[in-house]
Amino acid sequence: KQEVTQIPAALSVPEGENLVLNCSFTDSAIYNLQWFRQDPGKGLTSLLLIQSSQREQTSGRLNASLDKSSGRSTLYIAASQPGDSATYLCAPAGSNSGYALNFGKGTSLLVTP
Amino acid sequence: EPEVTQTPSHQVTQMGQEVILRCVPISNHLYFYWYRQILGQKVEFLVSFYNNEISEKSEIFDDQFSVERPDGSNFTLKIRSTKLEDSAMYFCASGIQGLLEWANQPQHFGDGTRLSIL
Repeated sequence: KQEVTQIPAALSVPEGENLVLNCSFTDSAIYNLQWFRQDPGKGLTSLLLIQSSQREQTSGRLNASLDKSSGRSTLYIAASQPGDSATYLCAPAGSNSGYALNFGKGTSLLVTP
Repeated sequence: EPEVTQTPSHQVTQMGQEVILRCVPISNHLYFYWYRQILGQKVEFLVSFYNNEISEKSEIFDDQFSVERPDGSNFTLKIRSTKLEDSAMYFCASGIQGLLEWANQPQHFGDGTRLSIL
């Protein structure tokens, strides 16, 4: 069974800092890996998807990397802003026929002005 | 941009009652999913649905749960006899998945239905 761990559980930084969120998973047989953002009481917004054959994806100030063999992914946020405050979720998709996403508990990020 | 829509946004139901949660996936998507998130806990996979049948389900998705695509646009989750522990936010998602590289696309989530069992 896939287990997903996200470190740190919570992070508070001043505006402008670059930061790294870490995700590890136990089963390297994944289809892809998605990073999501969740605001309190809200749904999930997809930020980035990395296919299992890829190493890296970038979108604006976000960069995600994937090392499938070691079961790790990182999300790098450049020049953080207060609007980035949210919970960030890592979710590798299984390679079974259903492509189910397995979620970590998330990293709760607070960016202070 | 197309989006997944879920109704209702909040459902309050007495324990033991049946409840149906509704979703309209993105129109050209082929895979449909239900996930749930109990307050303060992580998001959990329930079921995936492709080609009018369940393709994968979790241990949570027992005989009390069922899914249906009654027409070309709706996707529903039914809980037959609700329990207190079914209280959670239920998310519907849809995507294009498959073995070809072009099909390896994100799952898109709706805003969820908050289910409260009294």
